[in-house]
Amino acid sequence: AQKITQTQPGMFVQEKEAVTLDCTYDTSDQSYGLFWYKQPSSGEMIFLIYQGSYDEQNATEGRYSLNFQKARKSANLVISASQLGDSAMYFCAMREGALKKLIFGAGTRLAVHP
Amino acid sequence: AAGVIQSPRHLIKEKRETATLKCYPIPRHDTVYWYQQGPGQDPQFLISFYEKMQSDKGSIPDRFSAQQFSDYHSELNMSSLELGDSALYFCASSYRDSRYEQYFGPGTRLTVT
Repeated sequence: AQKITQTQPGMFVQEKEAVTLDCTYDTSDQSYGLFWYKQPSSGEMIFLIYQGSYDEQNATEGRYSLNFQKARKSANLVISASQLGDSAMYFCAMREGALKKLIFGAGTRLAVHP
Repeated sequence: AAGVIQSPRHLIKEKRETATLKCYPIPRHDTVYWYQQGPGQDPQFLISFYEKMQSDKGSIPDRFSAQQFSDYHSELNMSSLELGDSALYFCASSYRDSRYEQYFGPGTRLTVT
């Protein structure tokens, strides 16, 4: 069964607008972590934001925020004020427990239009 | 800030050859992870090491082996290379704190011809 589901293969947004990338997850663990990574066309995997399962507040990092809804098992990434440089593939990932591997979703390709 | 270092960045090998990929984690990070990302796919976990001991194993072929050394750098050894091994290989490192954030290196792009 899919552990991480990203239902949007591709999204586009106008520059300076906000965009939400969806991510739902499935786990029976109580302790887990949720991550978002950005992968530009150059290939590197850039860490954006982290949300722990016990964190009560939604994580924020600059223009990135994570809309964490634990009961619905969703961890959507919100990018505010999109920039052309935000065009990339975005992966949602989950870590179950400590020292465990990351399980990735299939990714969402975001295109920012001027 | 120091990042994860991987070498080489690009590697071209022929079928049945061997390859060795190296990873130098962020200083103070004690855990190293290896991932394989095929074209158009999401990264797949191969293997991880914590304090020089294997801590988890994923879908790593028997032709591949890896280890972590006393200075915490890690090497992924790949033998009898096949065309399907062509991929981007990432190393990531983390520190054992409450967040276990994994930071990825730039990747090694392996092409098997």
